Amino acid sequence: EVQLVQSGAEVKKPGESLKISCKGSGYTFTNYWIGWVRQTPGKGLEWMGVIYPGDSDTRYSPSFQGQVAISVDKSISTAYLQWNSLKASDTAIYYCARHSASGNYGSEFGYWGQGSLVTVSS
Amino acid sequence: EIVLTQSPGTLSLSPGERATLSCSTSQTIPSRFLAWYQQRPGQAPRLLIYGAFNRATGIPDRFSGSGSGTDFTLTISRLEPEDFAVYYCQHYDSFGPGTKVDIK
Repeated sequence: EVQLVQSGAEVKKPGESLKISCKGSGYTFTNYWIGWVRQTPGKGLEWMGVIYPGDSDTRYSPSFQGQVAISVDKSISTAYLQWNSLKASDTAIYYCARHSASGNYGSEFGYWGQGSLVTVSS
Repeated sequence: EIVLTQSPGTLSLSPGERATLSCSTSQTIPSRFLAWYQQRPGQAPRLLIYGAFNRATGIPDRFSGSGSGTDFTLTISRLEPEDFAVYYCQHYDSFGPGTKVDIK
């Protein structure tokens, strides 16, 4: 069974750094694009970016390029989303999600993590 | 960048009724890259339809997708209580704003 298990809720202050995680299991981690989707309170879904764990090829939405960093550690089947300097506007739920089809950049997200709530407040 | 528009913003219906949700894209897209998701309150999104008309594993057959070019439709033939949720369409790196289906 494919599972994506995300790290827990975080409360941070503006300017702090943060790295949240998403551990995949039940499939060959290196063969499927995995990405991050933001959902701000009461709002819709925003595609942030994806990474192919096989070669770490990473694609970002223009809206998030330079604002966050997506990475993986293949040895522990885990993807990460990182901020160097958080802002209050980063307060949101962040979902990791895996593409349905292996190796296909344009595939839909067939599997989702449970979400990680990030709260940034002074 | 392709922009996705969904209509209506909110659809108020009763259980047992038919729901028709629309997703329009700003440019023609290949149907194989259009997906639909359901999100219930407090839950992660769930894939319903991929490739415009293919039901994902475990999705009941009351859900169906259709369309091509720039206009796509998600139809729920008879609404069950658990279907009252928000529905999003997606193409590559863009999601639509969502349609909320709520109880009339």
